[in-house]
Parts: sequence; C-alpha cells; structure tokens
Amino acid sequence: NAGVTQTPKFQVLKTGQSMTLQCAQDMNHNSMYWYRQDPGMGLRLIYYSASEGTTDKGEVPNGYNVSRLNKREFSLRLESAAPSQTSVYFCASILFHTLGGRYNEQFFGPGTRLTVL
Amino acid sequence: ELKVEQNPLFLSMQEGKNYTIYCNYSTTSDRLYWYRQDPGKSLESLFVLLSNGAVKQEGRLMASLDTKARLSTLHITAAVHDLSATYFCAVSKVGGSEKLVFGKGTKLTVNP
Repeated sequence: NAGVTQTPKFQVLKTGQSMTLQCAQDMNHNSMYWYRQDPGMGLRLIYYSASEGTTDKGEVPNGYNVSRLNKREFSLRLESAAPSQTSVYFCASILFHTLGGRYNEQFFGPGTRLTVL
Repeated sequence: ELKVEQNPLFLSMQEGKNYTIYCNYSTTSDRLYWYRQDPGKSLESLFVLLSNGAVKQEGRLMASLDTKARLSTLHITAAVHDLSATYFCAVSKVGGSEKLVFGKGTKLTVNP
C-alpha cells in the first residue's frame, strides 16, 4: 500500500499560470480532502469530497477547483495562480471504521510545496 | 464557527522535564485529533479522542479530552530530543463529514 500519494512534490509557477495538483489513495477510502498549510496558520481546509461524485467547499476555497475523478483520485486545480497561493498543500483521506483501534483517522499525503512568483 | 486554540505556540524545554500542551475549541465536536509534524514532512496521527474523559497514551505522550470544558491536553513526560516537532490538535465538526479545523500548532524544542 502506498497510502496517500501526491504529485508533484515541488512546483514553481508564475502569477497567472494554471496547474493541477494530483492526489491518489489506494486504501479504498470514501472521503478525501485538500488542505493548505501556511506558516503560523495550521492547516486550513480548501475542499473536500465525502464520496465519489461529490465535492464541497471548505474554509478557503476561493481560487481553487477540485475534481473527484473516481474513488481513488482527487485533484486540486489553480486556474490562475496568485502569490497568495504560495503554500504547502496536503491531501488526506479518511477511514470511516474501526481498524486496529483507529477510528475515523485521516491519513495525509507527503505534501506539495508550491511557490507562485 | 468552530475555532481551535492551542497554547503555547512555542515551547522550549529540557530533556527529562514534563510539560503540557493545551487545546481549546469553541463548539461541540465529534472527535479530537492530535498530530505530529517534523520539519518538511507530512502529518503523523498520534491520537484520536472520541468521548468525554478519553485518555490515550503512547510512550512519553498522553492525551486527554474534557468535552464539557472543550479542552484537550497533550502531556509530555520526561521529554527527549526525539520529541522535538510541531504538534497540532484538530477538531471535527458534528455531523460535518470529518472536516477538520486545526489549531496553529505548538513548536516543541527539547534541548539536551
């Protein structure tokens, strides 16, 4: 099991460029999430997908779009990147039943470090 | 609106000492999580606390939850250098599809 994978690991964009961050999980989880992490801010939810075919906004959705391509994959798109979107982006998925004592545990990917110039 | 506050935000302590990190949240919650993050790395799940009075321990870390006070604590016993990291608490909204609201994190440095 690879768990939650994200590509790319690093990316530098110019203002106005677009890109898609990819996330995939091989744990058969139903729900997936995109967070951003900024210094001193903790993590903030951008979008989430409770199940395949559904998506909903989180705390900071402006400037982003998402696609839940299938149960495994959840992508985050920046249509016109801005310097304020410089951040580390984490994808997560959740297991909604007890497994070895864990319950509703969110598994996080390794992150994508994005810089917008 | 659910808000999560951690304190302290920075903690420098000596090896062998004990200390507690506090996590307060503003509204009723389903679950409370504690995570550890090493520099440049992802988040590692430490504890999931489900109910009032829940206490979980692993090694030198012990987490507890008081839902009436809307307070969770992460207690560090006899700190060692390997515990140096940033610790986050996060709270899920009731019936909220496990959307987590995170505290700002506590950066712990354990000095020899």
